[in-house]
Amino acid sequence: NAGVTQTPKFQVLKTGQSMTLQCAQDMNHNSMYWYRQDPGMGLRLIYYSASEGTTDKGEVPNGYNVSRLNKREFSLRLESAAPSQTSVYFCANRNGDIPNTEAFFGQGTRLTVV
Amino acid sequence: QKEVEQDPGPLSVPEGAIVSLNCTYSNSAFQYFMWYRQYSRKGPELLMYTYSSGNKEDGRFTAQVDKSSKYISLFIRDSQPSDSATYLCAMSKYRDDKIIFGKGTRLHILP
Repeated sequence: NAGVTQTPKFQVLKTGQSMTLQCAQDMNHNSMYWYRQDPGMGLRLIYYSASEGTTDKGEVPNGYNVSRLNKREFSLRLESAAPSQTSVYFCANRNGDIPNTEAFFGQGTRLTVV
Repeated sequence: QKEVEQDPGPLSVPEGAIVSLNCTYSNSAFQYFMWYRQYSRKGPELLMYTYSSGNKEDGRFTAQVDKSSKYISLFIRDSQPSDSATYLCAMSKYRDDKIIFGKGTRLHILP
C-alpha cells in the first residue's frame, strides 16, 4: 500500500503558468487536506475536504482551487502561478469516521515559481 | 496572535541529553494534541498524540499537556543523532476536520 501519493515530486513553473498537483490515497479515508510548508512558517492549511464532493477553505486559500471528484483523489490547482507560491506542498488524509485521528502525509511536491 | 505558537529553533543538544520541545496555544477548544516528526525532504509522521491534560509516555518520548496554561511539551530522553529532525506540534478541536500546526522546531542532536 502506498498510503498518500503525490505527483509530481518536483516542478518549476514560470510566473503566470498554471498547473495541477495530484494527490491519491489508497487508505479509504474520508478527509483529505492540502498544506503548504515554507521556511519558518510551519504547515499552513490551504483547503480541505471532509468527504467526496465537499471542500472548504483553510488558512491560506487565495490563488488556489481544489477538486475532490472521488473519495480517492484530491487535486490542487494553481491557475496563474506567482513567485509567492514557491513552497513545498503536502497532501494528507485522515479517517473522518473516527473523531480526532491522526493525519497521514504524502512525501510532498517541491514547487518553484520563477 | 496565531492559534499555535512554537519556537522554530534551531535547537542543538549533545547526544544523551534530555530535550524539551514546547508549544502554546490560544484556543481553549483544542482537545486533541499531536506531535509530528519530519525528517529532511520527507512528509511529517505522527510521533505521539494525547487527549486533554496529563502525560503520555512511549519509550524515550513523553508528551505532556497542561490545558489550564494552554501549554504542551514533548520530552525526549537519552537523545540520539537519529532524533535530529523537525518536530511539529499540532492540535484540533473535538470532531473538527481541521488540524492546526505550529511552525516546527528544528532539532540537532550532536554526536
